[in-house]
Amino acid sequence: DAGITQSPRYKITETGRQVTLMCHQTWSHSYMFWYRQDLGHGLRLIYYSAAADITDKGEVPDGYVVSRSKTENFPLTLESATRSQTSVYFCASSATGSASYEQYFGPGTRLTVT
Amino acid sequence: KNQVEQSPQSLIILEGKNCTLQCNYTVSPFSNLRWYKQDTGRGPVSLTIMTFSENTKSNGRYTATLDADTKQSSLHITASQLSDSASYICVVSAAGGYNKLIFGAGTRLAVHP
Repeated sequence: DAGITQSPRYKITETGRQVTLMCHQTWSHSYMFWYRQDLGHGLRLIYYSAAADITDKGEVPDGYVVSRSKTENFPLTLESATRSQTSVYFCASSATGSASYEQYFGPGTRLTVT
Repeated sequence: KNQVEQSPQSLIILEGKNCTLQCNYTVSPFSNLRWYKQDTGRGPVSLTIMTFSENTKSNGRYTATLDADTKQSSLHITASQLSDSASYICVVSAAGGYNKLIFGAGTRLAVHP
């Protein structure tokens, strides 16, 4: 039971490069989420998706692009990485959009932009 | 503005001792409050979830309380173990929409032998 996985776990990239972080879940959950976690801050929502081909912005979407062609995958792309995007990125999934449902988090990707 | 504030930021206790972590929130409309444990290098894992009508919920040595009137919650850890060393995050879910979660910055707990 793999659950929710992220790849790569660690990534170093240069300013201006494009980088894609992958997220895969095996539960067929409808909802998927991308968060970033920075020191001294709570997790902040970047984008979420309610189903395949349905995505919407969260609290901090600027500089990021998402897609969801298949229910199980939800990649996050930084089109032109900046140092301010150095962070730990977490993907999460939930069976529905109801607030009473649990969100399950992946192990995270630590991204460093030099 | 929806906010979740936690205190203290960090805490060191000796193995076997108890501790209590605090959470204050201003989130509307409120749906539920969750406590997550996040080990270093891992994603958050849910410990408890409480709705408006619940004021106490336990999960083993973890006991969460909720006072919806004062918008405060606490997480009490009993007989701490070294494996309790982690960050504990208070999260409030807002009603409506897409399972919107508002995260506190967390309390980093270190349990020393």
